[in-house]
Amino acid sequence: DGGITQSPKYLFRKEGQNVTLSCEQNLNHDAMYWYRQDPGQGLRLIYYSQIVNDFQKGDIAEGYSVSREKKESFPLTVTSAQKNPTAFYLCASSIGQSRYQPQHFGDGTRLSIL
Amino acid sequence: AQSVTQLDSHVSVSEGTPVLLRCNYSSSYSPSLFWYVQHPNKGLQLLLKYTSAATLVKGINGFEAEFKKSETSFHLTKPSAHMSDAAEYFCVVSNQAGTALIFGKGTTLSVSS
Repeated sequence: DGGITQSPKYLFRKEGQNVTLSCEQNLNHDAMYWYRQDPGQGLRLIYYSQIVNDFQKGDIAEGYSVSREKKESFPLTVTSAQKNPTAFYLCASSIGQSRYQPQHFGDGTRLSIL
Repeated sequence: AQSVTQLDSHVSVSEGTPVLLRCNYSSSYSPSLFWYVQHPNKGLQLLLKYTSAATLVKGINGFEAEFKKSETSFHLTKPSAHMSDAAEYFCVVSNQAGTALIFGKGTTLSVSS
């Protein structure tokens, strides 16, 4: 079945440590996105990518980094510069970058601080 | 700038009764609007979308929404609630370039037997 796979489901970070969240899609979608979800809030955009080897900052990119070396993959690194990383992280993809296209979501990674 | 406001943070209904989740939007252009549902510790699932075609949009699981430009509303309804409908619901508008979705803060739907 086509879909978006995020791993791991749960992740723990120590102080000063960088951690990488994986996102893989087999939908052949060009565009991919990373969102952060905090309790009682909607999702906020961290980074998005319209095409391989290109990505753009979203509303809350500070303390995060991404890469897009393959169409199928869009990993997110939470760096030690992100002082409040505890959140639920969701990866999404869409056929193209159009406001008429819905985004499809993975099941998320929950990141906590040790 | 575009935005969405979900008017209720929590809605409680009994099984078999109607569901109404309210959403108002603000947009300087003809908006694309979506409703997504999220079950605990899961990703978001698309319920339905409005993209300037019919104003009454039918979605999955018996949900539908009506786009009312004069009221800038896009309320989600279902005639009869089921226990499995208990979840978080998000009203979403796309920005004009299609580079981002703007989310409401969500409405938690509780369904009692």
